Amino acid sequence: EVQLVQSGAEVKKPGESLKISCKGSGYNFSTYWIGWVRQMPGKGLEWIGIIYPGDSDTRYSPPFQGQVTISADKSISTAYLQWSSLKASDTAMYYCARPTIVGAQGAFDIWGQGTMVTVSS
Amino acid sequence: QLAVTQSPSASASLGASVKLTCTLSRGYSTYAIAWHQQQPEKGPRYLMKVNSDGSHSKGDGIPDRFSGSSSGAERYLIISSLQSEDEADYYCQTWSAGFVVFGGGTELTVL
Repeated sequence: EVQLVQSGAEVKKPGESLKISCKGSGYNFSTYWIGWVRQMPGKGLEWIGIIYPGDSDTRYSPPFQGQVTISADKSISTAYLQWSSLKASDTAMYYCARPTIVGAQGAFDIWGQGTMVTVSS
Repeated sequence: QLAVTQSPSASASLGASVKLTCTLSRGYSTYAIAWHQQQPEKGPRYLMKVNSDGSHSKGDGIPDRFSGSSSGAERYLIISSLQSEDEADYYCQTWSAGFVVFGGGTELTVL
């Protein structure tokens, strides 16, 4: 079974750093892009960025460029989303997702279960 | 700029049909889109990809009540025989090389 399993919920203080993970299984992790999506409380889905684990080619949505870092370790089939200094406005559910087509961006047909990040003093 | 637009809300009666619309921005009318369903307190679920010619390919386990079609820059999600569990938010997604974008979502109420 193809699946993405994300790390658990996090509660952090403003200014702290954080790295959340998304582990793929049931397919060749290196050959599919992995995307990250934010959903703030009561709001819609926002694309953060996408990475190709095979060569770590990474693209960011302009509003998120410089605010987060996406990375991947293909040896353990895991993608990451990290912050160096969290803000209260980073409070949201974060999803990873995989496109349908090998080696290309496209429709996200596999979704992780989500990681809730709460930033509060 | 590639973008997709959705109406914020829709409603239809139990057992009826509803058609949700996703509109591609000018100049991108040949692009495919994907539909995702998000039930209350749950994560997104992939429903289908809809191509510019109206052909569509559904995700695993998606009921026959869900179908897709196209007209010009508009992509549709049609849900027939509405059930209470269809009450959810529906998002469309499109993409190009190095870029992904979601619509604002349509909140579907089943009356």
